[in-house]
Amino acid sequence: QKEVEQNSGPLSVPEGAIASLNCTYSDRVSQSFFWYRQYSGKSPELIMSIYSNGDKEDGRFTAQLNKASQYVSLLIRDSQPSDSATYLCAVNQGGSYIPTFGRGTSLIVHP
Amino acid sequence: GAGVSQSPSNKVTEKGKDVELRCDPISGHTALYWYRQSLGQGLEFLIYFQGNSAPDKSGLPSDRFSAERTGGSVSTLTIQRTQQEDSAVYLCASSGDSADTQYFGPGTRLTVL
Repeated sequence: QKEVEQNSGPLSVPEGAIASLNCTYSDRVSQSFFWYRQYSGKSPELIMSIYSNGDKEDGRFTAQLNKASQYVSLLIRDSQPSDSATYLCAVNQGGSYIPTFGRGTSLIVHP
Repeated sequence: GAGVSQSPSNKVTEKGKDVELRCDPISGHTALYWYRQSLGQGLEFLIYFQGNSAPDKSGLPSDRFSAERTGGSVSTLTIQRTQQEDSAVYLCASSGDSADTQYFGPGTRLTVL
């Protein structure tokens, strides 16, 4: 059973702080990793994709991948109330073309 | 350019009726996915189409569910003899490459009374 685990939260952070979202996966043979943001009542939209170990930065967002430890994380710097949403981690495991999604972490950024 | 579109946006039906949900992927995208998301739950994979290959139906929850994709573009998800537990948001996504980013449509909210 291929699992992608996320803490459901909610994770509550003050405006301007760094929000750290974590995701672990079970299959070592995983190649593609994605973070999606989903606002309440809306469909998921891509935030970041990462394929290699290390960090990948895009604006206020940084994705971190550690294949040896089988985790991927998303850091949001200078968090804004508009970042309040559910963040879904998705992993293409074992060469599958079908990503496995975590259940998502709810993030609340309070003013 | 145009994104993934889905219709209808909302569907209310009575238990036992059949429903059809439509997805128009991004032009040129060869991969198409259907998911189901129940309230407060994660995304449940249903079916995957890639080009002209046979679809991966491993996520379909029962034989009441079926899907087709005509001409490698538009897809229709059909649910026969709907049950109340079928109530959920049905999301379609397309991708330009099987391992690439998925672009989601706005979803169809299905309510079975």
